Amino acid sequence: DADVTQTPRNRITKTGKRIMLECSQTKGHDRMYWYRQDPGLGLQLIYYSFDVKDINKGEISDGYSVSRQAQAKFSLSLESAIPNQTALYFCATSLGPGELFFGEGSRLTVL
Amino acid sequence: EDQVTQSPEALRLQEGESSSLNCSYTVSGLRGLFWYRQDPGKGPEFLFTLYSAGEEKEKERLKATLTKKESFLHITAPKPEDSATYLCAVQGPGYSTLTFGKGTMLLVSP
Repeated sequence: DADVTQTPRNRITKTGKRIMLECSQTKGHDRMYWYRQDPGLGLQLIYYSFDVKDINKGEISDGYSVSRQAQAKFSLSLESAIPNQTALYFCATSLGPGELFFGEGSRLTVL
Repeated sequence: EDQVTQSPEALRLQEGESSSLNCSYTVSGLRGLFWYRQDPGKGPEFLFTLYSAGEEKEKERLKATLTKKESFLHITAPKPEDSATYLCAVQGPGYSTLTFGKGTMLLVSP
């Protein structure tokens, strides 16, 4: 089993729908992250959490929210999805400030 | 604001043809520079961390080097399985998160 698991792996939805992407990890890391990747734009940080009680906005948090349910679980929500949120989303974990361990990604399409 | 610029955007090599990828950065107080490899449809996979100018790290056909303004990822005698997108990221002072470049897409033909 993967150390960082994302569900769903693929999702197609319609404009205005609420969407949740889930991430769970078995690495025992305190730090968890949500990134968005668009062709030609690289990885952009949406939200990050350094422990269960800590939530921080990244560079592109507008239109997104997160929940850290436990050390191992970090969910990303789109309250009202819009087409320009169509992207590949990655969850990542880290033990400290450096090396990140990424999940396989969740491909979201908003029609 | 931390900035990372990678060049070229794409690189096509023949098997065995050595080359280098560049990562130029601007950061006030570098704590670490990171290289990742990303295969299509997969999450990035960590390769190296470099902490100070002059440092070098090697792994198989890859060698990463660091100066005060840039890092190079040298690929010696590449094979088709080295084809991937290579991402560079920097970490600034304090508990800051990583800033990623847009990546270099490498294609190695047999």
